Amino acid sequence: EDQVTQSPEALRLQEGESSSLNCSYTVSGLRGLFWYRQDPGKGPEFLFTLYSAGEEKEKERLKATLTKKESFLHITAPKPEDSATYLCAVWRGKLIFGQGTELSVKP
Amino acid sequence: KAGVTQTPRYLIKTRGQQVTLSCSPISGHRSVSWYQQTPGQGLQFLFEYFSETQRNKGNFPGRFSGRQFSNSRSEMNVSTLELGDSALYLCASRTENTEAFFGQGTRLTVV
Repeated sequence: EDQVTQSPEALRLQEGESSSLNCSYTVSGLRGLFWYRQDPGKGPEFLFTLYSAGEEKEKERLKATLTKKESFLHITAPKPEDSATYLCAVWRGKLIFGQGTELSVKP
Repeated sequence: KAGVTQTPRYLIKTRGQQVTLSCSPISGHRSVSWYQQTPGQGLQFLFEYFSETQRNKGNFPGRFSGRQFSNSRSEMNVSTLELGDSALYLCASRTENTEAFFGQGTRLTVV
């Protein structure tokens, strides 16, 4: 069965303290792994798409990487405005989401 | 370019009633999908419409239905509302070769 698991469930960082979020997946034949950011009460905002192992993408303080079994979202020197829930999903004719990691960055 | 627009943003309904939610996709996007988000279950796929045809369906009861119009706008209907239907309902649009872009959602509260 296709499954996406994110860890940790919640992460509290001090401003400037770099860290990584994990997304493990079990799917037969990956056709895209997606990262989204969601602020409370709003819809998910697209961040990255990764298709093959070894692929990396960057945007400001965020960098997403992909292996054959998991993806990481690295956050370098985070700021309070990076506080949000980060969602990982795989494409299987529909998006299958993990439960998300709630990130809180304190000044 | 305008994003995905969902209306209304908030709804309060009583058990047993029915509700219709609306979604206008990004211009040029022919695929519209609906997702339900709850604290316990996270984001779950309801169904996808492409060129007015339902292309894929999730594991939800028949009370949940949808349709798509020729201009790609989509509606979702939930009949005989239950308390457990309280959720954030999200619509996403895409082309065949792009990622899905989400609207801001409709917050449905069933009392």
